[in-house]
Amino acid sequence: QVQLVQSGAEVKRPGASVTISCKASGYTFTGHHVHWVRQAPGQGLEWMAISKPGGSDTVYARRFQGRVFLTEDTSTNTVYMELNSLRSDDTAMYYCAKAGGWYSIDFWGQGTLVTVSS
Amino acid sequence: QSALTQPPSASGSPGQSVTISCSGSSSDVGGYNFVSWYQQHPGKVPKRLIYEVNKRPSGVPDRFSASKSGNTASLTVSGLQAEDEADYYCSSYAATNNDVVFGGGTKLTVL
Repeated sequence: QVQLVQSGAEVKRPGASVTISCKASGYTFTGHHVHWVRQAPGQGLEWMAISKPGGSDTVYARRFQGRVFLTEDTSTNTVYMELNSLRSDDTAMYYCAKAGGWYSIDFWGQGTLVTVSS
Repeated sequence: QSALTQPPSASGSPGQSVTISCSGSSSDVGGYNFVSWYQQHPGKVPKRLIYEVNKRPSGVPDRFSASKSGNTASLTVSGLQAEDEADYYCSSYAATNNDVVFGGGTKLTVL
């Protein structure tokens, strides 16, 4: 079965960086895009970025361009999301998610809580 | 401010039907058939209900249906059940920035 397993919760200081991993299994890793979506406490879903493992078509939401970077390790079926220059309003649950269909998500990781606090 | 506009709340009694709207523009909802709907219960991961405007993945009850007219997409939940009480989000491909945008979410209350 499809699984996306994310790394554990993080606590960071303002200005720091965080890297979240997302290990995929149960499907052809290079055959599907991976989305990143975040959700601040009590708030809605916010799309951040998408990439195709093994490919070159990575798209970042405009508000995160220059601050978010996606990388991957196809040997371990893992995607990484790095977010730099953290601010308190970056405190959120971060999800990786498998694309299914056009610009849609069919499976979600369990989420990684990132807390930014001085 | 979300790119797609949803009502913050909706409600209905058990057995009734409720429709949630999702308004965008010709650059997203209106221009492409790439609208999805997700259900999220408190503390849980979102679950996809609908993709490509009106396609329902296997396992999603047919009480959930969706459509689109112009720049507005709609999700209808028929035969409301207590378990339908959750937050609902729409999303769409957005050509302006070649990305994906979400609505702000609608909290559905089953009275």
